[in-house]
Amino acid sequence: DTAVSQTPKYLVTQMGNDKSIKCEQNLGHDTMYWYKQDSKKFLKIMFSYNNKELIINETVPNRFSPKSPDKAHLNLHINSLELGDSAVYFCASSPRSGMNTEAFFGQGTRLTVV
Amino acid sequence: AQTVTQSQPEMSVQEAETVTLSCTYDTSENNYYLFWYKQPPSRQMILVIRQEAYKQQNATENRFSVNFQKAAKSFSLKISDSQLGDTAMYFCAFMKHGTSGSRLTFGEGTQLTVNP
Repeated sequence: DTAVSQTPKYLVTQMGNDKSIKCEQNLGHDTMYWYKQDSKKFLKIMFSYNNKELIINETVPNRFSPKSPDKAHLNLHINSLELGDSAVYFCASSPRSGMNTEAFFGQGTRLTVV
Repeated sequence: AQTVTQSQPEMSVQEAETVTLSCTYDTSENNYYLFWYKQPPSRQMILVIRQEAYKQQNATENRFSVNFQKAAKSFSLKISDSQLGDTAMYFCAFMKHGTSGSRLTFGEGTQLTVNP
């Protein structure tokens, strides 16, 4: 079973459209994240949720809205897509504490806005 | 806020040789975790090695080892006997746990190329 799965893997859409990326983790982790990886490969945190509660909301346009229906899911909805939104988006999860902690990542969603 | 700096955007090494990737970080925390993640062209993020800040002993995982200098806030990765499959982007990352959850911050990455 995949630990962190996100869908779709690729997404090509036109400017102005609304799209969603889904993420699910089966690790029982409390914390989930969304990262944006730009063309220079820099990984920038967008959001972090702890047990369905929004913890981190970096400087992200309010066209991006995360939704966590339960602690195993963190979806990302993007309204009115722009060319600059083209990037790879990664979902990740980690335990809240404890030894041997690490973050597990989904396979990424390559979003291309045309 | 924590920051992580990788000062080497690109590095190359010959197969079977040793290479060291640098990472420094800035934090006022005493308890935290440091990681090196590898991202091959497949773009999957793969954990290479982990270090708990409270442990003085440097972590090792087969050909991968770290030099953790807590006072200097330095966390370098040494890859011994480099293999072609080590070619990837390497990210240094810092994690702290808090009462409201965890935060994971990445450096800018170092593109490593292993040449045959």
